[in-house]
Amino acid sequence: KQEVTQIPAALSVPEGENLVLNCSFTDSAIYNLQWFRQDPGKGLTSLLLIQSSQREQTSGRLNASLDKSSGRSTLYIAASQPGDSATYLCAPASGSARQLTFGSGTQLTVLP
Amino acid sequence: ETGVTQTPRHLVMGMTNKKSLKCEQHLGHNAMYWYKQSAKKPLELMFVYNFKEQTENNSVPSRFSPECPNSSHLFLHLHTLQPEDSALYLCASSQGASTRNTEAFFGQGTRLTVV
Repeated sequence: KQEVTQIPAALSVPEGENLVLNCSFTDSAIYNLQWFRQDPGKGLTSLLLIQSSQREQTSGRLNASLDKSSGRSTLYIAASQPGDSATYLCAPASGSARQLTFGSGTQLTVLP
Repeated sequence: ETGVTQTPRHLVMGMTNKKSLKCEQHLGHNAMYWYKQSAKKPLELMFVYNFKEQTENNSVPSRFSPECPNSSHLFLHLHTLQPEDSALYLCASSQGASTRNTEAFFGQGTRLTVV
């Protein structure tokens, strides 16, 4: 059974800092991995999708890396802004239905 | 129209009520999912439908009954719920489990409170 751990659970940084969020998963037989953000009480917004054959994916100030063999992914946020404050979730897709398994997330607060 | 739409956004129901949650996707996807998000817990997969066929039931109690009449619509019928069923219920869709691209898109969720 896939298990996902995200570290740290919470992070508070001043505006402008670069930061790294970590995700680890136990079953390396994944099809892809998605990073999402969730604002309080809202649904999930997809940020990046990395296919299992890829090492890295970039979108604007976000860069996600994937080391499938070691069961790790990182999300790098450059020049953080207060609008980046949210909970960030990683979810590898595995199993016959390619279902997503979620970690508990990292709650990010960017202070102005 | 947004990609995945859920209604209602908020629902309060008594333990003896019967209600339904609705999800509709406008992305041409073939797979749809129900997830439950309880306070302080990770999202839990409940059901998966691929081409209208249920392919996963993640040991969900029978008081939750899904229905997928076509690839664009997904329902979750609720009856005799318990207060611990109060949670945010999220619907998602993707192109399908048999395709390479399984990027999932989520709706805004239904906040359910059972009293």
